[in-house]
Amino acid sequence: EADIYQTPRYLVIGTGKKITLECSQTMGHDKMYWYQQDPGMELHLIHYSYGVNSTEKGDLSSESTVSRIRTEHFPLTLESARPSHTSQYLCASSVEGEGYGYTFGSGTRLTVV
Amino acid sequence: QKEVEQDPGPLSVPEGAIVSLNCTYSNSAFQYFMWYRQYSRKGPELLMYTYSSGNKEDGRFTAQVDKSSKYISLFIRDSQPSDSATYLCAMPSGSARQLTFGSGTQLTVLP
Repeated sequence: EADIYQTPRYLVIGTGKKITLECSQTMGHDKMYWYQQDPGMELHLIHYSYGVNSTEKGDLSSESTVSRIRTEHFPLTLESARPSHTSQYLCASSVEGEGYGYTFGSGTRLTVV
Repeated sequence: QKEVEQDPGPLSVPEGAIVSLNCTYSNSAFQYFMWYRQYSRKGPELLMYTYSSGNKEDGRFTAQVDKSSKYISLFIRDSQPSDSATYLCAMPSGSARQLTFGSGTQLTVLP
């Protein structure tokens, strides 16, 4: 069973709305990540965090923001959703010493109409 | 040029076949090499990881790395319908070990 949880699983929302995608992990991992994945396309890193109070932007430019106030929690926020934000958002965490493998959540599929 | 290129597929094979999935990469700094499996409507799950050149076997799965050619492969023996999924190669880099993924190969194993 996954130790990293994302909510909601599916979200349909109107343009201009503010949304927050939740991600929580129970493994005590320091590093956490947000990836964006369009259907049939590769995953692109949009944000990552080394630990509490540490956040960095990833390779793919994104209008979203993140915060890391607690080790276990790494929410992603879109202040004003647009149709171009329609995608799947995947949260992951990792710890050194495990081959740098990630544990992924099941994702949030966002549709902005 | 993308740092990681993966055969796009899709790939459809009969049950019991040997499957070969491949990626090439351009960044010599990549040290670890991973394969993830992603079922429909799920997040990717780590299947195997390797560090050095050579082969690593885990049950029906064998990961192969050739650093001199910057080429990695995943072989699946005696493929099963439950192996039907998208397979992604990935390599970590950077201080936060950010993963760079291939675009994935969609595999269907027909019963």
